[in-house]
Amino acid sequence: GQNIDQPTEMTATEGAIVQINCTYQTSGFNGLFWYQQHAGEAPTFLSYNVLDGLEEKGRFSSFLSRSKGYSYLLLKELQMKDSASYLCAVKTNAGKSTFGDGTTLTVKP
Amino acid sequence: DGGITQSPKYLFRKEGQNVTLSCEQNLNHDAMYWYRQDPGQGLRLIYYSQIVNDFQKGDIAEGYSVSREKKESFPLTVTSAQKNPTAFYLCASSIRAGLKGYTFGSGTRLTVV
Repeated sequence: GQNIDQPTEMTATEGAIVQINCTYQTSGFNGLFWYQQHAGEAPTFLSYNVLDGLEEKGRFSSFLSRSKGYSYLLLKELQMKDSASYLCAVKTNAGKSTFGDGTTLTVKP
Repeated sequence: DGGITQSPKYLFRKEGQNVTLSCEQNLNHDAMYWYRQDPGQGLRLIYYSQIVNDFQKGDIAEGYSVSREKKESFPLTVTSAQKNPTAFYLCASSIRAGLKGYTFGSGTRLTVV
């Protein structure tokens, strides 16, 4: 089976930096995805890590350590529109992804 | 523009009735997926299909059925055997390698009364 853990809620200030952690236990690991989901909408793809290290894409970066079963999503220069849920998802060799329960981020002025 | 379309956006059904949710994609993706999302929770996999005429059960397949007769279409039927069907249903597709993750449809919010 698979187990994915993320904090339920986080709060940060506009312009600040926030790190959202994700730990996982899985068999047949084949990559880790981060998605953003605004309330009532579908998730949208943010990042994909399959090798250890940091992937940077604009204000968002994602890090993976396969040996530790650990990833984080780093959001810089926070904006009000970044208030959303952030979903960590682990892909297995079977080709399907299992999602964590998501972290609801609230950005305050 | 290519995309994935779910319809309808909102659906109301009486308890005990079967209902079919539509999912169509024109992205030429091989793989398609159905997830269910309950309030404050993540996505749980119902069924997935890696190729036409083939599909596999996900983690919560009981009370649901699917078909994959065409590459573009992956309809989900919520049967009367599903004990708690009220939820937000998301359809997604991806290329086989899946390097860019899923493309999601806009979702169908099903309410059973």
